[in-house]
Amino acid sequence: QSALTQPRSVSGSPGQSVTISCTGTSSDVGGYNYVSWYQQHPGKAPKLMIYDVSKRPSGVPDRFSGSKSGNTASLTISGLQAEDEADYYCCSYAGSYTPVVFGGGTKLTVL
Amino acid sequence: QLQLQESGPGLVKPSETLSLTCTVSGGSISSSSYYWGWIRQPPGKGLEWIGSIYYSGSTYYNPSLKSRVTISVDTSKNQFSLKLSSVTAADTAVYYCARQLKTVGTKTRPTNFDYWGQGTLVTVSS
Repeated sequence: QSALTQPRSVSGSPGQSVTISCTGTSSDVGGYNYVSWYQQHPGKAPKLMIYDVSKRPSGVPDRFSGSKSGNTASLTISGLQAEDEADYYCCSYAGSYTPVVFGGGTKLTVL
Repeated sequence: QLQLQESGPGLVKPSETLSLTCTVSGGSISSSSYYWGWIRQPPGKGLEWIGSIYYSGSTYYNPSLKSRVTISVDTSKNQFSLKLSSVTAADTAVYYCARQLKTVGTKTRPTNFDYWGQGTLVTVSS
């Protein structure tokens, strides 16, 4: 069982927006601003899409945005495109003893 | 451009020790700005953090694996390594190495993974 809870799957049509949630506790997501999101296509390594809750690395389209409210972080993808179909994982800093925890992953399907 | 490359045996026998090395190119593993981590992904399943190391040798491990894991760094070779002992079939996974950002402050900790290796499949079987 993963430390962070994500929906198993979400879907949306091209051009629409989708939001993926990531629920933790006050000891991880809610306690620090070190939430990141990763996109993983089949057979590929994960790619950093969002870090520090809402920052985008260079080269990541601004269609991807991150936010946090309380113990829940969210990844929003606007203007959905076919190439966005992938698995998405959230990750959070969780303190000195166990610095890193992942969510279980969410499969995004573009209809 | 920073690149990370995992290397090591693709097949390990049960009860033996899994050993992998990550070679970093295009950047220095001795940078004080980053940690270096190992992550694994069993076939068809999600990501699991294994542990992280700083260039100084400070380490952090997943409590669920801590008794079996050792991560070390060789700054002269720009490499860091993973050893996982007493493996079973449950340790079969794609193993990734990655660079990690760190927390702000004097006592830093590893956080987000910004560069990843391509991953290497390790199968535990007799």
